[in-house]
Amino acid sequence: GAVVSQHPSRVICKSGTSVKIECRSLDFQATTMFWYRQFPKQSLMLMATSNEGSKATYEQGVEKDKFLINHASLTLSTLTVTSAHPEDSSFYICSAPLVMRTDTQYFGPGTRLTVL
Amino acid sequence: GIQVEQSPPDLILQEGANSTLRCNFSDSVNNLQWFHQNPWGQLINLFYIPSGTKQNGRLSATTVATERYSLLYISSSQTTDSGVYFCAVEKYSGGGADGLTFGKGTHLIIQP
Repeated sequence: GAVVSQHPSRVICKSGTSVKIECRSLDFQATTMFWYRQFPKQSLMLMATSNEGSKATYEQGVEKDKFLINHASLTLSTLTVTSAHPEDSSFYICSAPLVMRTDTQYFGPGTRLTVL
Repeated sequence: GIQVEQSPPDLILQEGANSTLRCNFSDSVNNLQWFHQNPWGQLINLFYIPSGTKQNGRLSATTVATERYSLLYISSSQTTDSGVYFCAVEKYSGGGADGLTFGKGTHLIIQP
């Protein structure tokens, strides 16, 4: 149980285009999901918190107009990178907490974005 | 924000050796998790351990919350244990789940 999927796993796009990444909790509901970014050889950095039915909250330094987040249902959050540029190339990973007796967070397999 | 420091940054061992990875954190936490990131980037949950001790096969972990550190033990290392190990914490807030703050990781290489 507690499986989180992401789609696509890999995307290559041209500079200036927008890219949508989906994060799904497959066997549990998640009112909250989290989006992280990982540059090569670095750690994961929290970008934003996705809240079902309300606006996302962004970490300091993350442009909310560039990284649009929509939490449309209890099992789906989407991250849209708008007008992507080469510096947005990164590994994007989502997570969802399984809130039962603990808040263990389960991570998706990640999406590798390359902007040419 | 909360600070998470992992040591050592790099560790090279022979197959069969034991290892201890350390994670220090700067504030009280709701959640502490250890992960293994495989070569494809997937984070594998190892332990949810905000306090106490847990064991799972050759791996065990201990968190001493009052002293703000956690240890991950790997015994009888195998080459498949190679990869990056991350410690991540959720600062205590008294509310719902918050995002995790990750350490910089320990890059473990197990040589045959």
